[in-house]
Amino acid sequence: EPEVTQTPSHQVTQMGQEVILRCVPISNHLYFYWYRQILGQKVEFLVSFYNNEISEKSEIFDDQFSVERPDGSNFTLKIRSTKLEDSAMYFCASSRSASKNIQYFGAGTRLSVL
Amino acid sequence: AQRVTQPEKLLSVFKGAPVELKCNYSYSGSPELFWYVQYSRQRLQLLLRHISRESIKGFTADLNKGETSFHLKKPFAQEEDSAMYYCALSPNSGNTPLVFGKGTRLSVIA
Repeated sequence: EPEVTQTPSHQVTQMGQEVILRCVPISNHLYFYWYRQILGQKVEFLVSFYNNEISEKSEIFDDQFSVERPDGSNFTLKIRSTKLEDSAMYFCASSRSASKNIQYFGAGTRLSVL
Repeated sequence: AQRVTQPEKLLSVFKGAPVELKCNYSYSGSPELFWYVQYSRQRLQLLLRHISRESIKGFTADLNKGETSFHLKKPFAQEEDSAMYYCALSPNSGNTPLVFGKGTRLSVIA
């Protein structure tokens, strides 16, 4: 069964450094999402992406964040200058259809900012 | 604003006992409701959605618009049901982000 793939599984970085989290959505899916979960808190929406542009973003998704679909398969989340409070589990998700909002999640990338 | 509340952080039941995981939501429109499950060391995966009205792994959930609830139920818990369960809301059908509750850890004791 096809899966959403995320790399790396764990990323450790120093505060102020840039990180890129990578995702390969399921191949025939058209809608892509990033969520994050700070330890002990709920899964929160960051951004959604469709047709090569952001379709919706939350207030968490400020100027430090950007997303890109550089080729036909990858979907990346970049954090320009990481802060301690960016430490969280980041989940990528994709869905195939707008009419059925079934989102398939990756296993996540744990980001630790030191 | 949309909100999903799961009042129990942890629920422990004995194997064979009935299970009810509570979920309440606040949203003024007609949302779509989901239950996602995360087994140990695995990814979040969809368990069921209210629109499909099906039973998956013995679990059912009924949307009660009057009480704004979408509780997850299973008549006889199994050890393999032990996992984190997340209730989620989509403000309408279509390409919209999910709003999650904090999750309930279900522990089924042999």
